[in-house]
Formats: sequence, C-alpha cells, structure tokens
Amino acid sequence: GQNIDQPTEMTATEGAIVQINCTYQTSGFNGLFWYQQHAGEAPTFLSYNVLDGLEEKGRFSSFLSRSKGYSYLLLKELQMKDSASYLCASMDSNYQLIWGAGTKLIIKP
Amino acid sequence: IAGITQAPTSQILAAGRRMTLRCTQDMRHNAMYWYRQDLGLGLRLIHYSNTAGTTGKGEVPDGYSVSRANTDDFPLTLASAVPSQTSVYFCASSDSAGGPSNEQFFGPGTRLTVL
Repeated sequence: GQNIDQPTEMTATEGAIVQINCTYQTSGFNGLFWYQQHAGEAPTFLSYNVLDGLEEKGRFSSFLSRSKGYSYLLLKELQMKDSASYLCASMDSNYQLIWGAGTKLIIKP
Repeated sequence: IAGITQAPTSQILAAGRRMTLRCTQDMRHNAMYWYRQDLGLGLRLIHYSNTAGTTGKGEVPDGYSVSRANTDDFPLTLASAVPSQTSVYFCASSDSAGGPSNEQFFGPGTRLTVL
C-alpha cells in the first residue's frame, strides 16, 4: 500500500532549528514535496526533491534519500510566523500526490 | 481573479441535498484536482482532470462527480450529501499533470457541514 508517515506535532523555540522527518512508501516515485499550511488556510508549496541530497532555499532546506524512502524539512532561525502544519507528499507513478497527515509545528518565544 | 477561487467559502447543508462546489482558475493550468481534508488525515484526492474534457477518479470518489467543460472551471457535485462528507474541500491546479516538478496551487477551500 501507499503510506506517508510524519510526526503529528513538534515544538521548537524561536530562533532555533527544527527538522521534520517524513518516510514514504508509494507505488513508484516521481518526487517528494513539502507544503506549508497555516491554520484555516490553503497549503502552499515549499520544496520539491527528486534526486538524493539537500535542496536549500533561504531558511528552509529539504533532504531526500530515495534508497531509504526518507525526507526531512529543515527550518532554521525559526520565527513565530513559521507556526503552521507542514505537509509531506510523495508523487506516485501516476503523478498523483499521496499526502501525509501533516506535522503541526508550534513555535514558542 | 488571481490564482484559484472557490465558492462558497462555507456551507451548511441538510443530508440528502444536492450541492455543487465551484472552482475557477485563471492561470491556464491544464490539470485540476479536488481534495478533501479531514482532521488527522492527509489530503485525499477525490477527482482530478489532466486537461479540459477529461476527468479521473482519485482515492475517494464515491458520492462525488466532476466535470471539466473548459480549462478554467472544475465544479465538484455532491448528488445527495451525507454527514460523512462533512470536510474542508480544496481545489488545486498545476501547469501539467505529467511533469515531475508538478507544483500544485490551492484555492482557499470550502468548509462543508452536512447535517
């Protein structure tokens, strides 16, 4: 079956670094996406990885290991506005996204 | 219009009633999607359309239907609503369905309650 696992909730301190992990198992693989979703709002795209390694984009970085079926999203210099849910999604062989339930990130001052 | 719009923003509906959720995009994207989002679950694909004139079933299509008469519009219809269809519904679009870097853009969502 297809499955995406990520922690339900994480807490971090403003200014710190947090790593949100995601493991995936899908029928075929065409890339791994991370989206951010603030409460009551629509998801917005953060990153896409299809090759192994780290992709850096400002304060956010995303890592992929295809052999391990594993990805993480790294958020640096955390700000209060980073409080949100972070959704991991794997694109399967039909180019459909299979979504994890999301990780709610709570930032404390 | 900028991006994707959905209507209504929210709706309370009696069970058994018919309801159409509207979705319009102005980005000339080929592919469009309907998802539902429930607490504790990931986004689940209801139906999709890779291009105008074609539609396909997603993970949870039962009780829903869609049409794609043109590029911009992708309405979702609940023929006879049931309480288990209470959810937040998101419409999304992407430039293409087949490309691997297929970033999807989401509408603001419709919060539907079926009583």
